[in-house]
Amino acid sequence: KAGVTQTPRYLIKTRGQQVTLSCSPISGHRSVSWYQQTPGQGLQFLFEYFSETQRNKGNFPGRFSGRQFSNSRSEMNVSTLELGDSALYLCASSLAGDGRENSPLHFGNGTRLTVT
Amino acid sequence: QKEVEQDPGPLSVPEGAIVSLNCTYSNSAFQYFMWYRQYSRKGPELLMYTYSSGNKEDGRFTAQVDKSSKYISLFIRDSQPSDSATYLCAMSAGGDKIIFGKGTRLHILP
Repeated sequence: KAGVTQTPRYLIKTRGQQVTLSCSPISGHRSVSWYQQTPGQGLQFLFEYFSETQRNKGNFPGRFSGRQFSNSRSEMNVSTLELGDSALYLCASSLAGDGRENSPLHFGNGTRLTVT
Repeated sequence: QKEVEQDPGPLSVPEGAIVSLNCTYSNSAFQYFMWYRQYSRKGPELLMYTYSSGNKEDGRFTAQVDKSSKYISLFIRDSQPSDSATYLCAMSAGGDKIIFGKGTRLHILP
C-alpha cells in the first residue's frame, strides 16, 4: 500500500508570495492533518480535515489555510509568506473519523519550504 | 509548563547498549501514547502505539507508560547504528489532536 505522498519536496519562495502544498493520503484514510516542524518549536499542529471539513485547528494565523477534496487529497496554502514560515511541512493521514478516533498518524516525507 | 516535555539530546551511546528515551506530560487526560522515529530528510515513522499503563514490546523496542507519574519511556535493546535518528513521543486525549514532544536526537556509535 502506498504511503502518504507530499509534493513538492522542496520549495524556495520570497517574502510576500504565496505557496500551495499538496498531500495524497494512504488509500482508505479520510482524515488528513498538517503539521509545521521547526528546530525550535518541534511539530506544531496546523489543522485536520475529514470528509472535506476542517475538524480541528491549531494556533496559526489566518494566512495558513487548507482544504480537502472528495478523494481525500488535501492542500494547504500559506499567503503573504514571512521568513519565519521557513519549515518542514508535514502531512499525515489516519483512520480517525471512521469510527477509529484514536488511530495513529502516518506521515509523508514533508515539503521543505524556504522563504528568502 | 509545556504539555509534553522531551530532552532534545543529543544522546550518544555505543552500539549494543540499551537506550532509554523519556517524555513527561502534564495533561492527565492523555490516554494514547505513541513513539515515532524520524530520519534526516524524512517524515516521522510510527514505532509504537499504546493505550494503557504498563509495557508493550515489539522486537527490540519496548514502550512503557506510567500514567500515575505522567511519564513514558521507549527502550531500545541491542542498539544498532541504523537506530540513529530523532525519536518523538506523542500523545492524545482521544478524539483530539495529537501533541508531540520536540524529539530526542540519538546517535549510536559503531
